Amino acid sequence: SYVLTQPPSVSVAPGQTATISCGGNNIGSKSVHWYQQKPGQAPVLVIFSYGDRPSGIPERFSGSNSGNTATLTISRVEGGDEADYFCQVWDSRSAHQVFGGGTKLTVL
Amino acid sequence: EVQLVESGGGLVQPGGSLRLSCAASGFTFSSYAMTWVRRAPGKGLEWVSSITGSGGNRYYADSVKGRFTISRDNSRNRVFLQMNSLRAEDMAVYYCAKNDNGYYTGNFNSWGQGTLVTVSS
Repeated sequence: SYVLTQPPSVSVAPGQTATISCGGNNIGSKSVHWYQQKPGQAPVLVIFSYGDRPSGIPERFSGSNSGNTATLTISRVEGGDEADYFCQVWDSRSAHQVFGGGTKLTVL
Repeated sequence: EVQLVESGGGLVQPGGSLRLSCAASGFTFSSYAMTWVRRAPGKGLEWVSSITGSGGNRYYADSVKGRFTISRDNSRNRVFLQMNSLRAEDMAVYYCAKNDNGYYTGNFNSWGQGTLVTVSS
């Protein structure tokens, strides 16, 4: 089955840029979606398809995807961005939805 | 405004059964696939099952196939997850999510608040 690999944790100072990677075999050919989940809350879609943002998501959030790595970039990080972030794709070969293991973003 | 409200979680013994329900509002329910996703304590998100808008196609993670059944009632705007032969590893918060299309590929653009399923003797 298709596997998505994320770093377990990323730390960044306020005002700096956070990058969270999501590795997968030829993931650049897939549509990748990103979710933010804060403790005790439901996940929220922050980036979908080829870097699009749902309404209400700040422009500070952006996404890119090429080769074997997709990346979520959060510019000018704020304390409120501290959360778990998950990437997700649909694997046509298995007809399964697949999530990455998640990355905990810590704002120092 | 899209709203998804889960119910039916609770404490169940290993081997037992539970039926989760998700009440949807704020969109044309039958036009969208619906999905159940879970998050176990200390773990990440795990896709569990999806059903197309018409209800004609259902998909399951390998970990629940043969034990869980997803269904929907488009006349009542509800989606269900029947969980049988529950195991300790099924303990998690279960989220109902709306797909962004009527099939079941794509993303999950709205989520409920989740319902906790505890499997313990």
